[in-house]
Amino acid sequence: AQSVSQHNHHVILSEAASLELGCNYSYGGTVNLFWYVQYPGQHLQLLLKYFSGDPLVKGIKGFEAEFIKSKFSFNLRKPSVQWSDTAEYFCAVNGNNNDMRFGAGTRLTVKP
Amino acid sequence: DAGVTQSPTHLIKTRGQQVTLRCSPKSGHDTVSWYQQALGQGPQFIFQYYEEEERQRGNFPDRFSGHQFPNYSSELNVNALLLGDSALYLCASSLVTGTGLRLAKNIQYFGAGTRLSVL
Repeated sequence: AQSVSQHNHHVILSEAASLELGCNYSYGGTVNLFWYVQYPGQHLQLLLKYFSGDPLVKGIKGFEAEFIKSKFSFNLRKPSVQWSDTAEYFCAVNGNNNDMRFGAGTRLTVKP
Repeated sequence: DAGVTQSPTHLIKTRGQQVTLRCSPKSGHDTVSWYQQALGQGPQFIFQYYEEEERQRGNFPDRFSGHQFPNYSSELNVNALLLGDSALYLCASSLVTGTGLRLAKNIQYFGAGTRLSVL
């Protein structure tokens, strides 16, 4: 069965620090990968996605993620975080069964 | 262009009761998926509806059922409510672009959710 693991439950950074959130998945076939973000009081929004091709994908607001097939990983990165990046971040995996599996989420707090 | 809308926003029920949650998909979308998000956890897939049929189902009991109407809107029904059913219920809509893995390439857009409290 598919599963998604996010390594950090809560990350606290100062503004301008670099960010990397880990995501590993378990699935035997080809997958599509997503990062969603949930800002305080708002609904889940798509940050970026990987379907195929270049394993380094860029999303909104300066975020990027790298798909490393051999490591079953899809880590999210941002070179310099801002206070407005404070949110909950969810990694998600979708395979042939089309039942999307989400990780437990990582809460990011950016201190001004 | 309306996004995904869900109603009601909040709901309080008692154990054993039944509840119906509603979802209107984003304009132009034809597929609706439902998720349960317990406090401190990620969304858990309940099921997905396309062409008024349940196409995929997650690991949820038969107490959870759904329906999709010809206008693509959808309902989630939960019977015999348990305390553990207390959660945020999310609806996501998408446009089907194919079958099999290609089906999974569509992007799901989420509503704000319905907060269900079971007392």
